[in-house]
Amino acid sequence: SAVISQKPSRDICQRGTSLTIQCQVDSQVTMMFWYRQQPGQSLTLIATANQGSEATYESGFVIDKFPISRPNLTFSTLTVSNMSPEDSSIYLCSAMGLSYYEQYFGPGTRLTVT
Amino acid sequence: TQLLEQSPQFLSIQEGENLTVYCNSSSVFSSLQWYRQEPGEGPVLLVTVVTGGEVKKLKRLTFQFGDARKDSSLHITAAQPGDTGLYLCAGDQGAQKLVFGQGTRLTINP
Repeated sequence: SAVISQKPSRDICQRGTSLTIQCQVDSQVTMMFWYRQQPGQSLTLIATANQGSEATYESGFVIDKFPISRPNLTFSTLTVSNMSPEDSSIYLCSAMGLSYYEQYFGPGTRLTVT
Repeated sequence: TQLLEQSPQFLSIQEGENLTVYCNSSSVFSSLQWYRQEPGEGPVLLVTVVTGGEVKKLKRLTFQFGDARKDSSLHITAAQPGDTGLYLCAGDQGAQKLVFGQGTRLTINP
């Protein structure tokens, strides 16, 4: 299995500012993803982080708001830009394991926007 | 986007009882995964079912994928307090882009 770490684990930010979340995997992986989980709710896929090319965003999510980088096969960042209280959520990254059918998640970053 | 309906959303039972959680969709998925999530942590993969009609067992947990690959169930036998948590089903829309059900918050009372 892949071990995934995220930084920061939590943050409190003011509206209008931006926060970059880092995701580090302990081994090279082909696919990495970013999800959002609002308090008490399920997970929603934001985008697929593609190594060496632009991320692929799901409906309702745009690059200007959630720019994503993936410079190599073990690392990705998600930036939440121009934050508003509605962006308060848990942001999780995930990676596909050696098997196509296995996906592993990081512990999440709990973001509160005031 | 394909949708997954998970039920029940909340379940509180006594230790030793059995329970079943359901995950239903009108769409076909290439695979379906079950996760368990503890507070403050990311989801942890329990099992992946791929073939229609497939049954997988993990100790007291039994997972089944529907014949048409549109639905799945999780059955827990003789539930224990350690089974308490949020259970999530997730269907693969393709290229491992997962769509999650709403989750079942399970509480096992001693």
